[in-house]
Amino acid sequence: ETGVTQTPRHLVMGMTNKKSLKCEQHLGHNAMYWYKQSAKKPLELMFVYSLEERVENNSVPSRFSPECPNSSHLFLHLHTLQPEDSALYLCASSLGLAGGGPGGEQFFGPGTRLTVL
Amino acid sequence: KNQVEQSPQSLIILEGKNCTLQCNYTVSPFSNLRWYKQDTGRGPVSLTIMTFSENTKSNGRYTATLDADTKQSSLHITASQLSDSASYICVVIPFTGNQFYFGTGTSLTVIP
Repeated sequence: ETGVTQTPRHLVMGMTNKKSLKCEQHLGHNAMYWYKQSAKKPLELMFVYSLEERVENNSVPSRFSPECPNSSHLFLHLHTLQPEDSALYLCASSLGLAGGGPGGEQFFGPGTRLTVL
Repeated sequence: KNQVEQSPQSLIILEGKNCTLQCNYTVSPFSNLRWYKQDTGRGPVSLTIMTFSENTKSNGRYTATLDADTKQSSLHITASQLSDSASYICVVIPFTGNQFYFGTGTSLTVIP
């Protein structure tokens, strides 16, 4: 195990539903990330938090809303999603921001497989 | 156009054989280049991290090389095992910003 857990592991939701993804890290890290992984595409960075402050938002639609209440927990709130949002959503954490060289090594959770009907 | 291209897209090899995966990138300048292994249904796990000044880094049967002049990296797997079956992802981290450049990965299948 990497020390990063995600729940639920699988989620099926309709386009009108509201759901939340949860990520928790037990590594004492200060930075946390949300990624989207679609088939045959590179991982897409969605949000970056450092010390609970959002430092990056890569033009993600507003139907995705992140929340970082403390440095150990990260949520992704979902509402009125589209079928093309179906993907594997990965959470990661690092001691410092990942652009800072090897000290920013990221540890990934197992992901939540999201299906939007 | 993606700034990190990996080849081949997929590969099947016999158990015990060696293989080499390629990563070509255009990101410049960059801080470090990483190789990750992602098992089916799991998140990526770091295999190697190389700074821009390093040429090679090993982790057990995995050896990564980096040629900053040609902007190429390779991951060599020695004496493959069934458990090596996974997707291998190359990631290039620039010096500034939080935008990481991921390849689409090479899917490796090791068969008995």
